[in-house]
Amino acid sequence: AQRVTQPEKLLSVFKGAPVELKCNYSYSGSPELFWYVQYSRQRLQLLLRHISRESIKGFTADLNKGETSFHLKKPFAQEEDSAMYYCALRGGTSYGKLTFGQGTILTVHP
Amino acid sequence: NAGVTQTPKFQVLKTGQSMTLQCAQDMNHEYMSWYRQDPGMGLRLIHYSVGAGITDQGEVPNGYNVSRSTTEDFPLRLLSAAPSQTSVYFCASSVGGRPDTQYFGPGTRLTVL
Repeated sequence: AQRVTQPEKLLSVFKGAPVELKCNYSYSGSPELFWYVQYSRQRLQLLLRHISRESIKGFTADLNKGETSFHLKKPFAQEEDSAMYYCALRGGTSYGKLTFGQGTILTVHP
Repeated sequence: NAGVTQTPKFQVLKTGQSMTLQCAQDMNHEYMSWYRQDPGMGLRLIHYSVGAGITDQGEVPNGYNVSRSTTEDFPLRLLSAAPSQTSVYFCASSVGGRPDTQYFGPGTRLTVL
């Protein structure tokens, strides 16, 4: 069975501070990990995926297979980063079936 | 190009009533899915379809039916609504189930009294 855990429901930081949203997963094979974001009054959208190893809007995430984690990081948070963030996993044989974490609401204060 | 559309945006039902949540996409995506979003639970997959005429169950299928008669449409039916089905429902479509091609609809907020 595959499982994704985001231990923080709420995370508050001040503008310019570093931010880290935690994500841990459980999966026996080689997973694909993703971060999704939902800004206020907008649709859920893909932020980044571990395969591409890219930085999107200043966010990065590294897959740590030893710790089974895929934490999302940004060195200097901006107010426009305030949103709901979901970590998601796709198993190798699940044909697009994503397992989402519980979500973390990030609030960046001015 | 409207992307993924969902109707209605809001709905209030009484326990035992039935209704259909509509989902349509105009991107010719073969893969479509329905999720429900609940506080503290994240998004959970209800049903999905890999093409017209083919559907399968997700993580929480009980109480919901789906069909896929066309590539464009993927309606979700609640046959006898229960308060436990109060949630926000999202439809999504993608190319072959690839998350990097996935588009979500705006959601339907359903309340069952």
